[in-house]
Amino acid sequence: SQTIHQWPATLVQPVGSPLSLECTVEGTSNPNLYWYRQAAGRGLQLLFYSVGIGQISSEVPQNLSASRPQDRQFILSSKKLLLSDSGFYLCAWSVRGFDNFEFRQPQHFGDGTRLSIL
Amino acid sequence: SQQGEEDPQALSIQEGENATMNCSYKTSINNLQWYRQNSGRGLVHLILIRSNEREKHSGRLRVTLDTSKKSSSLLITASRAADTASYFCATEGQGGSEKLVFGKGTKLTVNP
Repeated sequence: SQTIHQWPATLVQPVGSPLSLECTVEGTSNPNLYWYRQAAGRGLQLLFYSVGIGQISSEVPQNLSASRPQDRQFILSSKKLLLSDSGFYLCAWSVRGFDNFEFRQPQHFGDGTRLSIL
Repeated sequence: SQQGEEDPQALSIQEGENATMNCSYKTSINNLQWYRQNSGRGLVHLILIRSNEREKHSGRLRVTLDTSKKSSSLLITASRAADTASYFCATEGQGGSEKLVFGKGTKLTVNP
């Protein structure tokens, strides 16, 4: 069966420090991968998604970046964190879609990283 | 920008009652999905309904989709305290982008 791992679960970082959050998926190949951020009591904002190694699409201009060094590894990074980067970060994967949209599959989420910037 | 908007923002009911949550969206879609999130956890997929479907069932869950009104509803029958969670609708737009746009969610509280 497929599993998704995110770490760390919680993180407290000072303003201006770097960030690296990692997400790995097991039990599947060539997945779509996604990074979301969720502000307190709000919906999910898509930050990045990837359909293959080295292929990253950015949805929101910000001081964050993402990389996919391996097929099932997705990393969210920042060189200098801002107070506004606080939030709940969620990684998700889905089966690569087919041209026929009727075969679209849902996304599967990790348990998230709670990031607090001081 | 947010595509789906859930209504109500919060809902409190007694165990055994039915809970209905609504979702409206703005543009044409390939499918609409409902997810559940327990406090402090990731989202769990509940149901995916395609644009050519009108109704779908899964256990105590019933989802309807009205593409002419650009709206969907999620009905949870015979609710339980364990159903307490936030519920989100998410839409995939036409064009095969494989991206979802999530609403802000409905926070459901089921009182024992």
